[in-house]
Amino acid sequence: AQSVTQLDSHVSVSEGTPVLLRCNYSSSYSPSLFWYVQHPNKGLQLLLKYTSAATLVKGINGFEAEFKKSETSFHLTKPSAHMSDAAEYFCVVTLNSGGSNYKLTFGKGTLLTVNP
Amino acid sequence: KAGVTQTPRYLIKTRGQQVTLSCSPISGHRSVSWYQQTPGQGLQFLFEYFSETQRNKGNFPGRFSGRQFSNSRSEMNVSTLELGDSALYLCASSPSRLNYGYTFGSGTRLTVV
Repeated sequence: AQSVTQLDSHVSVSEGTPVLLRCNYSSSYSPSLFWYVQHPNKGLQLLLKYTSAATLVKGINGFEAEFKKSETSFHLTKPSAHMSDAAEYFCVVTLNSGGSNYKLTFGKGTLLTVNP
Repeated sequence: KAGVTQTPRYLIKTRGQQVTLSCSPISGHRSVSWYQQTPGQGLQFLFEYFSETQRNKGNFPGRFSGRQFSNSRSEMNVSTLELGDSALYLCASSPSRLNYGYTFGSGTRLTVV
């Protein structure tokens, strides 16, 4: 079984300050992990993915995430927030073996607000 | 390169009716998955198709069904609509069943009245 917990439902930051969105996962097998972003009335856009290569993953728009197996975490960070980063962010896990890597399990999402 | 195209974008239906949603994946993508997004339940997996076969299904009633055509286009059907079926339905495609990450469409917003 696999599950994802996003520890904050809402994060508010000021423009130019760092962003930290927290995600913990549970998976019976070696997981693949993703972060997706959803802007209002839009579909989901892939920010970055971890698939058992380097543990520090760089994504688009300056975001990065670090896979920490000992902590079962995959937190998303960005050094300096921009107004355009305001959106909802989803941490996603899927299995990496057993032929079950077709189903994405989503966290509940974290709404990021960026204040001017 | 065209993205994942979902039609229609918006739909209003009456309880008891049925609805068909369409998804055209990125050219060359053979795996298509469907997800339901609601404020209360978040994003939930509906089903996944690969090579015209349903490979897995989420925990939804039999009123939810789908299919995939030889060109990888997919449709999902919901029969006997209920108010609780109101949601954003998202389609996602991937080149294969390996973990390259899925590309999502903009979704179809279904409102049942």
